[in-house]
Amino acid sequence: DGGITQSPKYLFRKEGQNVTLSCEQNLNHDAMYWYRQDPGQGLRLIYYSQIVNDFQKGDIAEGYSVSREKKESFPLTVTSAQKNPTAFYLCAGSDRNYGYTFGSGTRLTVV
Amino acid sequence: GQQLNQSPQSMFIQEGEDVSMNCTSSSIFNTWLWYKQEPGEGPVLLIALYKAGELTSNGRLTAQFGITRKDSFLNISASIPSDVGIYFCAGPGGFGNEKLTFGTGTRLTIIP
Repeated sequence: DGGITQSPKYLFRKEGQNVTLSCEQNLNHDAMYWYRQDPGQGLRLIYYSQIVNDFQKGDIAEGYSVSREKKESFPLTVTSAQKNPTAFYLCAGSDRNYGYTFGSGTRLTVV
Repeated sequence: GQQLNQSPQSMFIQEGEDVSMNCTSSSIFNTWLWYKQEPGEGPVLLIALYKAGELTSNGRLTAQFGITRKDSFLNISASIPSDVGIYFCAGPGGFGNEKLTFGTGTRLTIIP
């Protein structure tokens, strides 16, 4: 089945550590996105990529980094510069008809 | 940037009641999308609207693209327990493969 696969489902990070969240897709979507969701809040865009080897900052990019070396993969690194990283992270892919498909999310907790 | 305001922020209703929620934009949208997010999962697309005035149904769900192109409405008839979740509106505001702007969400809770 085609879809967006995020891993891991739950991730714990110690203060000062970098962690990388995985996002893989087999939908052949050109565009991919990372969103952050805080409890009771909407979705805020972190980074997005419309083609391989290119990506743009979203509304809350500080403390995060991404890469897009392959069409299928768009990993997100939460760096130690992100002061409040505990949140639910969602990856999505889209085609030109605005059909966003989301992954099932990664819940990151700082311990 | 574009902003989408959803109302109400939360709803507590009894099973069997109808639900209405809306979304307004500070600018014109060319597409309106409605998503549902269940706890611990990613949002899933419910309905897509592509034309001003369009009324589209998906089972018990009906959504409308406002004539002004700055608003959209979602109705759920005869709610059931599995309707629980957060409902988001979204729109790109332009053409092409653009990033979506999401509304703040409406959290629906159903009282048995």
